[in-house]
Amino acid sequence: RKEVEQDPGPFNVPEGATVAFNCTYSNSASQSFFWYRQDCRKEPKLLMSVYSSGNEDGRFTAQLNRASQYISLLIRDSKLSDSATYLCVVNNYGGSQGNLIFGKGTKLSVKP
Amino acid sequence: NAGVTQTPKFRVLKTGQSMTLLCAQDMNHEYMYWYRQDPGMGLRLIHYSVGEGTTAKGEVPDGYNVSRLKKQNFLLGLESAAPSQTSVYFCASSPGELALHFGNGTRLTVT
Repeated sequence: RKEVEQDPGPFNVPEGATVAFNCTYSNSASQSFFWYRQDCRKEPKLLMSVYSSGNEDGRFTAQLNRASQYISLLIRDSKLSDSATYLCVVNNYGGSQGNLIFGKGTKLSVKP
Repeated sequence: NAGVTQTPKFRVLKTGQSMTLLCAQDMNHEYMYWYRQDPGMGLRLIHYSVGEGTTAKGEVPDGYNVSRLKKQNFLLGLESAAPSQTSVYFCASSPGELALHFGNGTRLTVT
């Protein structure tokens, strides 16, 4: 099982749709989880951290399921500007210190 | 506040040439990282540093060296470039084992 796995997509959705991405991780000792957004030919930028109780930031909701070792990102009322690649990031606790493991990303394309 | 600055932004090298990529951060972060990003491979950690004067190997360190002589700078060196090192290189920093702040990237082509 790969350390961090994501469905590469692409997810093609119309404006206003709700879309969800899942990410699975293999290290049960991982403590920190993040979603990053990366626009084409740009650097990754932090979208949100993922907390055990789940957290919401506007149209974005992140959930963590430790038992099944996955995190999810829900985007409601999709906008054209949401088109990007979404990266799941998990810390490799117990591995190399300071080592965050990146998934390969899920590409989202929001169409008019 | 510049954040994380990488230089150069683009570079073309011939096989066997050497170069150094510079990363500078003005956020007083302890941790700094060098990643490479290739199509279909995602971001892979090359080397990282948890403080001034310290460095450690990441997932793909071969062919690269690093130095962290000053807290704000993290240098990535290619002693003898190979076509397999054609990639986009990202530097990042963080205050600890927390979220990373990335630079704009360096696009390197080795012919």
